[in-house]
Amino acid sequence: QVTLKESGPVLVKPTETLTLTCTVSGFSLSNARMGVSWIRQPPGKALEWLAHIFSNDEKSYSTSLKSRLTISKDTSKSQVVLTMTNMDPVDTATYYCARLSMVQGVDVWGKGTTVTVSS
Amino acid sequence: QSVLTQPPSASGTPGQRVTISCSGSSSNIGSNYVYWYQQLPGTAPKLLIYRNNQRPSGVPDRFSGSKSGTSASLAISGLRSEDEADYYCAAWDDSLSGRWVFGGGTKLTVL
Repeated sequence: QVTLKESGPVLVKPTETLTLTCTVSGFSLSNARMGVSWIRQPPGKALEWLAHIFSNDEKSYSTSLKSRLTISKDTSKSQVVLTMTNMDPVDTATYYCARLSMVQGVDVWGKGTTVTVSS
Repeated sequence: QSVLTQPPSASGTPGQRVTISCSGSSSNIGSNYVYWYQQLPGTAPKLLIYRNNQRPSGVPDRFSGSKSGTSASLAISGLRSEDEADYYCAAWDDSLSGRWVFGGGTKLTVL
């Protein structure tokens, strides 16, 4: 069974850096046809793709957030980490990590973690 | 503002067939597969349709997808109360080094 679980702080202050970890099970981050995406959803708003990383370490970022995002993976720990710098209250959202399959696209999602940005 | 355009709302009565549209451009829907997600209140999105019209195992055949040019549609037949949810389309976009793009979501109400 494929599962993904997000972890990280519930509350961050403006200007701080957010670090989120996605721990996966049921598939390997070294699988040639797999990757992991990060997607967020502000309260009451639409989904917004942030970044993804593939098994070959190929990365892609949202053009509007590229300067603030870094995605990386630790295959031995089955973890993908997303950092976002200079957090602002508008970054308050539920952050999801999800498996990215070459066949089924973004197919399995974690339950999400809610991050509030407030002083 | 989302790259893919969906109507903000849709509605139907139990048993009816409803469709939700998704409009994009040549760099996303026009040249790549379309995916559809269902998000029940308070839960994570769930994949409904992949590669335009394929259903993952476990998704009822009441849900179907189609694509034509730079637009796509999700159809739900035999509407049920448990179908009340937000629905999102998504596609890969070839511009700017590649990225995933989502629609703004459509809230489906079962009357």
